Amino acid sequence: GAVVSQHPSWVICKSGTSVKIECRSLDFQATTMFWYRQFPKQSLMLMATSNEGSKATYEQGVEKDKFLINHASLTLSTLTVTSAHPEDSSFYICSALEEFVSGNTIYFGEGSWLTVV
Amino acid sequence: GIQVEQSPPDLILQEGANSTLRCNFSDSVNNLQWFHQNPWGQLINLFYIPSGTKQNGRLSATTVATERYSLLYISSSQTTDSGVYFCAPGGTGFQKLVFGTGTRLLVSP
Repeated sequence: GAVVSQHPSWVICKSGTSVKIECRSLDFQATTMFWYRQFPKQSLMLMATSNEGSKATYEQGVEKDKFLINHASLTLSTLTVTSAHPEDSSFYICSALEEFVSGNTIYFGEGSWLTVV
Repeated sequence: GIQVEQSPPDLILQEGANSTLRCNFSDSVNNLQWFHQNPWGQLINLFYIPSGTKQNGRLSATTVATERYSLLYISSSQTTDSGVYFCAPGGTGFQKLVFGTGTRLLVSP
């Protein structure tokens, strides 16, 4: 089946630095990808919808200058957490939409654990 | 926005037991999915079920869209069923999936 890969799986960075997380659809093209954030023992919260070749659509309350999303190709979306702070520590998950005439299917990446120290 | 509540929040089962997980949502939806998040964080699609009933092995799901709820049945539970189960209703084409509060399941041997 279709696979979505995230990299890195784990990352530790210092406060004030930026960190990039990649989301790749390995065997299909994804015009649309989604980025979620999950705090420990909580649900997933949609951060933004990433559209290939255009600007991402951010959910209310998500700082677009803080969480930069780039969807430069049909198989890659990146999330950059800029000037990271300890409160940005979280589990970040992407998903990619595989579109068919008969209907769509969504696949999730393995997630990326970010720890800001 | 749509509110999604799942019950029970936590569930402990002996291996072999059956269980029913419930998802209530506050608005009509075009799409509803059930996911299993394993202990390592990976989300696995279980069912796409905006209405009706589907079965896949020991799992089955029913959504009654007119009454705004969905049920996930797990029969003959196994330790590998442990993890968190989320329902996620949303709009057409998987846009704007809103994840529920989750049910944390622990199946003990």
